[in-house]
Amino acid sequence: GQNIDQPTEMTATEGAIVQINCTYQTSGFNGLFWYQQHAGEAPTFLSYNVLDGLEEKGRFSSFLSRSKGYSYLLLKELQMKDSASYLCAGMDSNYQLIWGAGTKLIIKP
Amino acid sequence: IAGITQAPTSQILAAGRRMTLRCTQDMRHNAMYWYRQDLGLGLRLIHYSNTAGTTGKGEVPDGYSVSRANTDDFPLTLASAVPSQTSVYFCASSALSGAYNEQFFGPGTRLTVL
Repeated sequence: GQNIDQPTEMTATEGAIVQINCTYQTSGFNGLFWYQQHAGEAPTFLSYNVLDGLEEKGRFSSFLSRSKGYSYLLLKELQMKDSASYLCAGMDSNYQLIWGAGTKLIIKP
Repeated sequence: IAGITQAPTSQILAAGRRMTLRCTQDMRHNAMYWYRQDLGLGLRLIHYSNTAGTTGKGEVPDGYSVSRANTDDFPLTLASAVPSQTSVYFCASSALSGAYNEQFFGPGTRLTVL
């Protein structure tokens, strides 16, 4: 079957670094997406990885290891506005996204 | 209109009633999607459309129908609502349906079926 696993909740301190892990199992693989979703709002796109390695985009970076079925999202210099849920989604062979339940990130001052 | 709009924002519906959730995008995207989001679960795909005139079933299509008469609109209909359809519904679109096509989401419709 297809499955995406990520931690339910994480807590970090303002100014620090946090890594949110995601493991995936999809029928075929056409890339791994990360989205951010603030409470009561729509998800917004953060990153896409299809090749192994690290993609850096400002304070956010995303890593992929296809052999391990593993990805992580790295957030640096955390700000209070980063408090949100972070959704991991794998794209399967039919180009459909399989979504994890999301990781709620709580930032403390 | 800028991006994707959904209507209504929220709705309380009696079980057994018919309901259509509206979704309109102005980005000329070919592909559109309907998801439901429930607490503790990931987004689940209900139906999708890769281009105007075509539709497909997602992971949880039962009890829902869609149509795609033109590029911009993708309504979702609940023929006879049941309490298990209480959820937040998101419409999304992407330029194409293939790999690396970022999906853009509408603001969502919060539906309660009593």
